[in-house]
Order: sequence, then C-alpha cells, then structure tokens
Amino acid sequence: GAVVSQHPSRVICKSGTSVKIECRSLDFQATTMFWYRQFPKQSLMLMATSNEGSKATYEQGVEKDKFLINHASLTLSTLTVTSAHPEDSSFYICSAPRGTGKRSSYEQYFGPGTRLTVT
Amino acid sequence: KNQVEQSPQSLIILEGKNCTLQCNYTVSPFSNLRWYKQDTGRGPVSLTIMTFSENTKSNGRYTATLDADTKQSSLHITASQLSDSASYICVVTHLYGNNRLAFGKGNQVVVIP
Repeated sequence: GAVVSQHPSRVICKSGTSVKIECRSLDFQATTMFWYRQFPKQSLMLMATSNEGSKATYEQGVEKDKFLINHASLTLSTLTVTSAHPEDSSFYICSAPRGTGKRSSYEQYFGPGTRLTVT
Repeated sequence: KNQVEQSPQSLIILEGKNCTLQCNYTVSPFSNLRWYKQDTGRGPVSLTIMTFSENTKSNGRYTATLDADTKQSSLHITASQLSDSASYICVVTHLYGNNRLAFGKGNQVVVIP
C-alpha cells in the first residue's frame, strides 16, 4: 500500500488565491521530504527540500515567498502556493526517503501527486 | 546537460512483446539507481533499486541491469501487457548531498493489443 499520501489529489482555484497541499509519510518518519513539479511529458523538477524543524532549501529559480513550505512534524510537510496564477498550474509531487536497513541505502517513496489548476 | 539521459523517448510495442529501455548517467559518485513506473496523473512507483555493486535486479516481468563502469542501465520488460503503458523514469541518487536525485525525462511506453 501507499506509504506517502498527498491531499488533495486535485484542486482548482481562482487566480490570486492560495492553495495548500499536504504530504504525509504514513508509517515512517521523514525528517526530509522533497517537493517536485511536473509539467506534461516532462521530468520531475525538484522545487525544494523540506526539513523538519528548520527552513526549507529551495532550488535555484524557485520563489520561496511564493511556494511556502512547512515541515510541521516528522510525518507532515505542506506546500502552499500563494497568489496562484495560471502558470502555476501543474502536477505537484512530494517524496520522502525511507531507510532500507542497509547502510546508506534509502528507498524514495513518492506521493500520488496533486493536480493544481489555476483559472 | 541533463545528468540522466533516457532513450528512446517513446516507443510503441505490441502486447506480449519484449522491450528494453536505456538510461545513461553522469552522476558520480552515486549511491543507487532506481527505475520507476509512472502512470499518467500518478506519482512514480518504484520498480527496482540497485547500488553500484549490483549488476541486475528483477521485479516480476521487469529486469534492470547496471554497468557502473560505463554508467549505463537498462530496463527490460518481458511479455508486455497493456497495463505496462506508462512512463518509465531512471533516477540516480547522488552519494553526497542529502539524497539528492537526478531524474531522467522518462521513456514513454505504449502497449497496443
């Protein structure tokens, strides 16, 4: 079964409003989670690294004031798209690494994604 | 230049046939290489994961190979099914840097009856 969940799966919002997307690790703790954006027929693009208890690390070109990330607990990270515009419409995916038990080995679990449409 | 290149970009295969997808990467040093299957509108789902010391890994009808010397990996799909229609993404993890991932653009596979 799924080990990383996202909510909502789909959201439609009006331009200028804010939207919050949740990412949860279901049966393990994740001090780090990752947020990606994916446009049609494109690869996943890392937006930011969410760190529990500290500030998120943003990739170059990603506006931190527009994409607010809060890693409130060891199982929850949220991404808030503020003042959304149509160009923010995309597929947003989170992931969380989980140790496999072997040294320095992690399995990266992805959430099911959130389809954001800004009208 | 992308650190992970996949080919072919897309292919169409008949149900029941086999196919092989290629992944070339430049990430070095790397921790592991994964193949994911992503259905349209869904998040990626892990198929295989290999460390630098592993040469092959199977998961049902999926078999991945890895040549760390030439920095190449392949994913072989045996006896394809309609449900195999998806994007297959090669992902390489940097050894250093907080599990930073390098993504390929994916191989888009369409299986037709």
